[in-house]
Amino acid sequence: GAVVSQHPSWVICKSGTSVKIECRSLDFQATTMFWYRQFPKQSLMLMATSNEGSKATYEQGVEKDKFLINHASLTLSTLTVTSAHPEDSSFYICSARDQPSHTLLANVLTFGAGSRLTVL
Amino acid sequence: GQNIDQPTEMTATEGAIVQINCTYQTSGFNGLFWYQQHAGEAPTFLSYNVLDGLEEKGRFSSFLSRSKGYSYLLLKELQMKDSASYLCAVRPGGYNKLIFGAGTRLAVHP
Repeated sequence: GAVVSQHPSWVICKSGTSVKIECRSLDFQATTMFWYRQFPKQSLMLMATSNEGSKATYEQGVEKDKFLINHASLTLSTLTVTSAHPEDSSFYICSARDQPSHTLLANVLTFGAGSRLTVL
Repeated sequence: GQNIDQPTEMTATEGAIVQINCTYQTSGFNGLFWYQQHAGEAPTFLSYNVLDGLEEKGRFSSFLSRSKGYSYLLLKELQMKDSASYLCAVRPGGYNKLIFGAGTRLAVHP
């Protein structure tokens, strides 16, 4: 089945530094990937939709200059948390679909294993 | 706006049956999904409903009523490994994304 690889699985950084998280589709091409964040015991909050070859679409309230998304190829999307602060500590999860957009199962998302960010 | 509601926590006994409800109010509707998430792990896909009725997959079944904005996930023959969070997610009309509910934490005890 479809596999989404996310790296790193966990990272600890100092306040003010930037952290990059990679999301790769291993056995399929993903024109669209989705970035979510999840606080402890809460559900997934969609941050942005990453589109290959074009700008990401950010959800309301998400700072696009702080959470930089680059989707340079059909198998790779990156999320960079710039000038990270302790309140950015969270579980970041990417996802992608392996079905063509016109099919009924187009939104059966495959998730990466997540990246736990801790900002000191 | 978009709103998805499900109970916060449930407990059940090993071998029993449990039903997790989900109600939604979204601008349009293009499908409802159930995901399972163990603590610290990524969600895994369980089921998908786009038409009214029941979809059965082994021990798991999911039901949808679009007119009522209601779905449930039914888990049979519960096992300890079923202890997890169960996320209800809806694809609103005209949108290329999924909106998740807060999740229901299910604890299965002997």
